[in-house]
Amino acid sequence: AQSVAQPEDQVNVAEGNPLTVKCTYSVSGNPYLFWYVQYPNRGLQFLLKYITGDNLVKGSYGFEAEFNKSQTSFHLKKPSALVSDSALYFCAQKPNNAGNMLTFGGGTRLMVKP
Amino acid sequence: DAGVTQSPTHLIKTRGQHVTLRCSPISGHKSVSWYQQVLGQGPQFIFQYYEKEERGRGNFPDRFSARQFPNYSSELNVNALLLGDSALYLCASSLERGNTGELFFGEGSRLTVL
Repeated sequence: AQSVAQPEDQVNVAEGNPLTVKCTYSVSGNPYLFWYVQYPNRGLQFLLKYITGDNLVKGSYGFEAEFNKSQTSFHLKKPSALVSDSALYFCAQKPNNAGNMLTFGGGTRLMVKP
Repeated sequence: DAGVTQSPTHLIKTRGQHVTLRCSPISGHKSVSWYQQVLGQGPQFIFQYYEKEERGRGNFPDRFSARQFPNYSSELNVNALLLGDSALYLCASSLERGNTGELFFGEGSRLTVL
């Protein structure tokens, strides 16, 4: 079965420091990969996606993610964290013929402290 | 422009009852997907509808059903509610069927089954 792993339940980082939120995927072939963010009592918001092309993908709010096929990883990164980045982050995947059937990871809570 | 709107935002039901959740997509979006997010987990795909036809179904029992109307709004119905159906139900819309871009999520309907 296809799965997405987010190995860290929570990531703590100081404001101004770089952050990384880890994700590994399991779709074979050419996966479509996504990152979404969820603020308290809100729906999910799209951050960025990898479909094809450059392995470094830039997205909203200064976030970027690096696609690594050999490690089947798609880690989310930001050079300088803000307190307002504190939220729940979800990695998602789908095969390229699966419509809107995304498989989400379990989520990682990012806590940025002043 | 209005985003994806869902109703009701919160509701409480008892075991064995039936529930109907409603979703209005972003104007011009023809695809609606439903996801279930149990507390502490990532969203799980339930259904996708595009142009009023079911285009994808996740691993959920037949107690779950949905439909899409000519105006592209959608309903999710759950019969014979179980305690385990307690969750945040998210609706997402997109322009196309085979989405390569982002999904636009509503803020969800939080269902509590007692």
